[in-house]
Amino acid sequence: AQRVTQPEKLLSVFKGAPVELKCNYSYSGSPELFWYVQYSRQRLQLLLRHISRESIKGFTADLNKGETSFHLKKPFAQEEDSAMYYCALLGTGANSKLTFGKGITLSVRP
Amino acid sequence: DTGVSQDPRHKITKRGQNVTFRCDPISEHNRLYWYRQTLGQGPEFLTYFQNEAQLEKSRLLSDRFSAERPKGSFSTLEIQRTEQGDSAMYLCASSLALAGAQFFGPGTRLTVL
Repeated sequence: AQRVTQPEKLLSVFKGAPVELKCNYSYSGSPELFWYVQYSRQRLQLLLRHISRESIKGFTADLNKGETSFHLKKPFAQEEDSAMYYCALLGTGANSKLTFGKGITLSVRP
Repeated sequence: DTGVSQDPRHKITKRGQNVTFRCDPISEHNRLYWYRQTLGQGPEFLTYFQNEAQLEKSRLLSDRFSAERPKGSFSTLEIQRTEQGDSAMYLCASSLALAGAQFFGPGTRLTVL
């Protein structure tokens, strides 16, 4: 079975503060991990995926297979980062579904 | 192509009625997915198609739910004899096979009274 855990529901920080959104997963194979973001009144959109190893809008995430984690980080939060963030896992082989965590609300205060 | 589109955006119905939702994927994407999202939860997988073939269905998809993708392009999700527990946001996503990343539509919010 595949499972994604986002242990916190809300993270509130001041502008300029560092951000770390936690994500842990459970999967027996080698998963592909994603972060999706949903801004207010907008659709769910892909933020980044671990195989790309990119930095998008200043966010990075490193897959740690030993700790089965894929935490999302940004060194200096901006007000426009306020949104709902979901971690998701894609299984390998014939299993094409995304399994999402419950999401975390990031609130960046001025 | 402006991305995945869904219609309607909102649907209010009475318990026991049937409803049908439509999803138009990104044109070159051969995979299409349906998810359901309730308050405080992440999206939960319902079913997916590769071209016109329905390849996987979740146990969440009771026999009142049926999905089709007749020509491998748009898809419909029908819920028969709706129940209040069916109230949720129904999301559609599409992707290229083997590409991994799924792109989501705006969703259809269903309210069953």
